Amino acid sequence: EAGVAQSPRYKIIEKRQSVAFWCNPISGHATLYWYQQILGQGPKLLIQFQNNGVVDDSQLPKDRFSAERLKGVDSTLKIQPAKLEDSAVYLCASSSLRTGDRDTQYFGPGTRLTVL
Amino acid sequence: QKEVEQNSGPLSVPEGAIASLNCTYSDRGSQSFFWYRQYSGKSPELIMFIYSNGDKEDGRFTAQLNKASQYVSLLIRDSQPSDSATYLCAVVIGGSNYKLTFGKGTLLTVNP
Repeated sequence: EAGVAQSPRYKIIEKRQSVAFWCNPISGHATLYWYQQILGQGPKLLIQFQNNGVVDDSQLPKDRFSAERLKGVDSTLKIQPAKLEDSAVYLCASSSLRTGDRDTQYFGPGTRLTVL
Repeated sequence: QKEVEQNSGPLSVPEGAIASLNCTYSDRGSQSFFWYRQYSGKSPELIMFIYSNGDKEDGRFTAQLNKASQYVSLLIRDSQPSDSATYLCAVVIGGSNYKLTFGKGTLLTVNP
């Protein structure tokens, strides 16, 4: 079973520029998550999708961040404009709804963003 | 009060010893608890999950849950240098649509 795929793996941009990250979850996983992990911290949930609907985006800075999950599979997270404090690793995770496995989230390799 | 708290460490143990990692959480309604391992520069990798009070063993790893004390721990027996990593405690906060809240992680170093 293929894991969660993310691209790009690394991105360097200047502040005020825009950037987009892509995620392809494990096949059949209905729930997709985007996390931000700042160095020395645990991952922080930005947004959670179930199929193509948003379940939780309470910690998403909506003035600059946006995310979509068209057709309930792939997802894109965008930052526009970027700030210095957005430098972090952006992790995508997915989980299924099967009983007994519903809470288990599997993470992709992440995208390391550096904002200069 | 932070929702999930861990000692940030670093925790240093000699090879072959038992490493004990601790985590407390604030929401009494929490039902699901996870331990992830994260090597430097890598993404979190699930080690164990536990839902019920008591111990759950998987190879050299044992998770312990005490809901009355709102406490979950991870024991690593016969620690190996390859166990050196940051260990993240994560909790599904009660009634939260399976939203994981992570602690900051504990850095474990196993010395040969």
